[in-house]
Amino acid sequence: SYELTQPLSLSVTLGQTARITCGGNNIASRNVHWYQHKPGQAPVLVIYRDSNRPSGIPERFSGSNLGNTATLTINRAQVGDEADYYCQVWDSQTACVFGGGTKLTVL
Amino acid sequence: VQLQESGPGLVKPSGTLSLTCTVSGYPINNGYYWGWIRQSPGKGLELIGRIYHSGDTYYNPSLKSRVTISVDTSKNQFSLRLTSVTAADTGVYFCARVPDAAEAFDFWGRGTRVMVSS
Repeated sequence: SYELTQPLSLSVTLGQTARITCGGNNIASRNVHWYQHKPGQAPVLVIYRDSNRPSGIPERFSGSNLGNTATLTINRAQVGDEADYYCQVWDSQTACVFGGGTKLTVL
Repeated sequence: VQLQESGPGLVKPSGTLSLTCTVSGYPINNGYYWGWIRQSPGKGLELIGRIYHSGDTYYNPSLKSRVTISVDTSKNQFSLRLTSVTAADTGVYFCARVPDAAEAFDFWGRGTRVMVSS
């Protein structure tokens, strides 16, 4: 079965750029979606199909997908960006795969 | 679009877990897929299954023998039933919407915590 690998945690200085990676075999051949999840809240879709931002998501959030790594980039990181971030792909039209999640801390 | 999970927070081992997701702001019978996802301490996020507005279902093969997802368009709700639960089924259960078969989950509920314990 297909697997996605994310770093468990990432720390970034306030105002700097955070890059959260999601590794998978030839992941560039798949559409990658990214979710932000804060404790007690509903997860929020922040990037869909590699690099598209849903309405209401700040332009500071962007995504890329190349080779074996997809990346979620958060520019000018804010305290409000602290959350768990998950990548997700479909292995077929039915088999859903999530990454293990990355806890982002803004220092 | 808003989704809200509801159901018992405690289920006894070997019992049945039953949850309902109430959707507001979008009629379920207008289309889309509606799914259940859970987050367990040992397994991260896992798709339990999903249902199309017409009633067609897909279940995670690892849970298929114990899962039923159904939809009630008159109440704009869809439901999850998981039988023969064990401690491994403890976790937070989310409902979510998927616009198409391999698209992103664009709206989620806050999740409801379920513990399996005697």
